Amino acid sequence: GAGVSQSPSNKVTEKGKDVELRCDPISGHTALYWYRQSLGQGLEFLIYFQGNSAPDKSGLPSDRFSAERTGGSVSTLTIQRTQQEDSAVYLCASSPDRGRYEQFFGPGTRLTVL
Amino acid sequence: ILNVEQSPQSLHVQEGDSTNFTCSFPSSNFYALHWYRWETAKSPEALFVMTLNGDEKKKGRISATLNTKEGYSYLYIKGSQPEDSATYLCALNFGNEKLTFGTGTRLTIIP
Repeated sequence: GAGVSQSPSNKVTEKGKDVELRCDPISGHTALYWYRQSLGQGLEFLIYFQGNSAPDKSGLPSDRFSAERTGGSVSTLTIQRTQQEDSAVYLCASSPDRGRYEQFFGPGTRLTVL
Repeated sequence: ILNVEQSPQSLHVQEGDSTNFTCSFPSSNFYALHWYRWETAKSPEALFVMTLNGDEKKKGRISATLNTKEGYSYLYIKGSQPEDSATYLCALNFGNEKLTFGTGTRLTIIP
């Protein structure tokens, strides 16, 4: 079946612009996660959704970052007034349920802020 | 802060040789350990999810062991092939939903 998809695959933007990154999880997966990998860093957690609720937003680095999930499916990560330090690969993952299950990752969105 | 350490950071291995690398973590509040393989321009691919002390998983030429009491896991690759070239990520569930990742081991197989 179809895996996790993300769009766009690459995004180049100017400092100060807003960007939206989209994630389509595997159908039926209730849990959805956003991570990012900045240059030279490991993958870091941003936010976790169970259904449409976000019980853990602890990884969002600032109030310029927000995310929503609708219909228990598609999720959008929005970065307002982008800064150069936001440049990273943003990865989305989904899993059948919460807990210690395998997380299935999408191919990521590479964001470059000039 | 719960740190997940991976070593070595990078590794070059001759095709046909076997290799292994390490994931170290605080041994408390541990729920599950995940190994992922991440090839350039592709999605990270799950290799194993491990939960029990002494757990051992195997998939083809790749296997992993887990020691929760001392806080480490080893990933072994037997008879390395060029397609094994990737970054291998270790990640843990520390009692909540998110994964805490190490910085990975970048493996390059030399033909």
